[in-house]
Amino acid sequence: GAGVSQSPRYKVAKRGQDVALRCDPISGHVSLFWYQQALGQGPEFLTYFQNEAQLDKSGLPSDRFFAERPEGSVSTLKIQRTQQEDSAVYLCASSSNRGGSTDTQYFGPGTRLTVL
Amino acid sequence: GENVEQHPSTLSVQEGDSAVIKCTYSDSASNYFPWYKQELGKGPQLIIDIRSNVGEKKDQRIAVTLNKTAKHFSLHITETQPEDSAVYFCAATLDYKLSFGAGTTVTVRA
Repeated sequence: GAGVSQSPRYKVAKRGQDVALRCDPISGHVSLFWYQQALGQGPEFLTYFQNEAQLDKSGLPSDRFFAERPEGSVSTLKIQRTQQEDSAVYLCASSSNRGGSTDTQYFGPGTRLTVL
Repeated sequence: GENVEQHPSTLSVQEGDSAVIKCTYSDSASNYFPWYKQELGKGPQLIIDIRSNVGEKKDQRIAVTLNKTAKHFSLHITETQPEDSAVYFCAATLDYKLSFGAGTTVTVRA
């Protein structure tokens, strides 16, 4: 079946603009995760949803970052007033169960955000 | 929180040789250790994982070993092929929040 999809694949924003990044998880997957990957680094956890509930947002770097998953399927990561340090690849992952420690997380291709 | 260190950062091997990547973790409560392969412009793809009740796991040319006492785990790729060239990440978790190493860029020379 289809994997995790993300759009847009590339986004260029001027400093101060707002951006919205979309994630379509694997159909039926309960858990959804957002990670941020800086150039040459491993992904870093941002936030976790179980269905529509955001259970953990401890990794969001500032209050300019906001994520939602209103119907328990598609998720949007929004960044307000973008800054140059927000430039990174934003990865979405989903897993089938309820976020248990042994659930395999399947990643999408990511959205590369460049803030000028 | 969990801290994962990964070595080496780059690895160049001759086609057909073996490649070994090592990771250490800090939280003894971590119980799940996946390895991901990331190709340029793509998202990480799971290649193998191991849980804390298992010491070793193999899947064709790929194997992972886990030493819980020493808090380290390793990825072994045998008979390397050009298509094995990629960035490899180890990760550890005790719940759902994966903590990743910084990655190893593997280059397989023909």
